Formats: sequence, structure tokens, C-alpha cells
Amino acid sequence: NAGVTQTPKFQVLKTGQSMTLQCAQDMNHNSMYWYRQDPGMGLRLIYYSASEGTTDKGEVPNGYNVSRLNKREFSLRLESAAPSQTSVYFCASLEQGYQPQHFGDGTRLSIL
Amino acid sequence: QKEVEQNSGPLSVPEGAIASLNCTYSDRGSQSFFWYRQYSGKSPELIMSIYSNGDKEDGRFTAQLNKASQYVSLLIRDSQPSDSATYLCAVLFYGQNFVFGPGTRLSVLP
Repeated sequence: NAGVTQTPKFQVLKTGQSMTLQCAQDMNHNSMYWYRQDPGMGLRLIYYSASEGTTDKGEVPNGYNVSRLNKREFSLRLESAAPSQTSVYFCASLEQGYQPQHFGDGTRLSIL
Repeated sequence: QKEVEQNSGPLSVPEGAIASLNCTYSDRGSQSFFWYRQYSGKSPELIMSIYSNGDKEDGRFTAQLNKASQYVSLLIRDSQPSDSATYLCAVLFYGQNFVFGPGTRLSVLP
């Protein structure tokens, strides 16, 4: 029972490199989310997808792009990584409406 | 601007005591409220969800919601060292827009 799976778990990039973070859920959930978490801060929403084929910006979308590939998968792309994007990235999903989110284990990304 | 605030920590309580964590939010129209626990280096895990005014109890945890005052709290009774973690308050605003507070770090001292 995998739930929400994120890959990779760790990554080190150089400034200017590009990268895609992958997220997949096996719970048949409609909505998926990407957050970043910086030290001492809560989770900040980057992008979310309320359903397959739709995406919306969250609080901190600049420098990121997303793709909802199908109902299971939601990827986050950094086109030109910057040191300010060093963070822990969490993917989450929920079935619908007012229900709580389920989180993946996170991707720890360092940009030098 | 949708905001969620939590009491600043860290909060230290002795083992066996009651830990009280507070959260306020900016939008009266919010309908869903969640408390997550996050251990260092781990992902958030859901502890409680609450949707209507009043108290909701689950084991040693009680969530309290007061929509008129726009606050939600979490009480942890008989606190254990294993409860030491950061507690995140999350509020669902319109549609699918979840906003998290900055978190309160709790330390339970043996």
C-alpha cells in the first residue's frame, strides 16, 4: 500500500540546471499538490491540480512548472534551478472536497 | 491574503502534562481544519480533522474549533516524549486552497 510516492528522495543540482520531481499516488485521488518547506516554516503551496487536466498556481509558483500527466501522476519541474529553491519538496493528494491530504516522504533538494 | 498563525514555540511541557497548541486563521468562510504532526526529517502525518464548532476527541488528542473567533486548538493530554515534534495547523480555504501555519515545535521533557 504505497500511498504517495516521490522520486528522487535526495538531489543536488548546480545553479542553472533543470530537474523534474516525480509524484505518483495509488489511491485514485482527484487532487494533487506540490509544497515546499523551508527551515522553521510551514508548508507553502507551489501548484495544485484539482483534477486531471487542470493545474493552478499556489502561493509561490515562480520558477516552477507542473504537469498532471494522468490521474496518478503530478510532476514538478525546475527549468533553471536557483539556490533559493533549495528546500524540501512534498507532494500530497486528497480524494475530494473537505478531506485531509496524504503526503509523500519528500524530496530534499540542494542547489549549489 | 489567507493567513494561518500558530503560537510561537518552542513549547516545552513535562511528561504527563497537557500540551496546548493554538491556531488562528484569517477567513471566516473556512470550513475544514486539520492538525498534522511532523517529526524532524519526516513528512506531515494527520492527527485530527475538525469541521464543526466544538470539541472532537481521539484518544489523548482533542481538537477544539471556534469559528466565530476564528481559532482552532489542539490539546494533548498525558504528553509523552514521543509527542515531541512540530505540529502544523492547516486550513482549507475556498476550493482546494490549503494554507498551513508555520508550525509549533513541542518538546515533552521526561
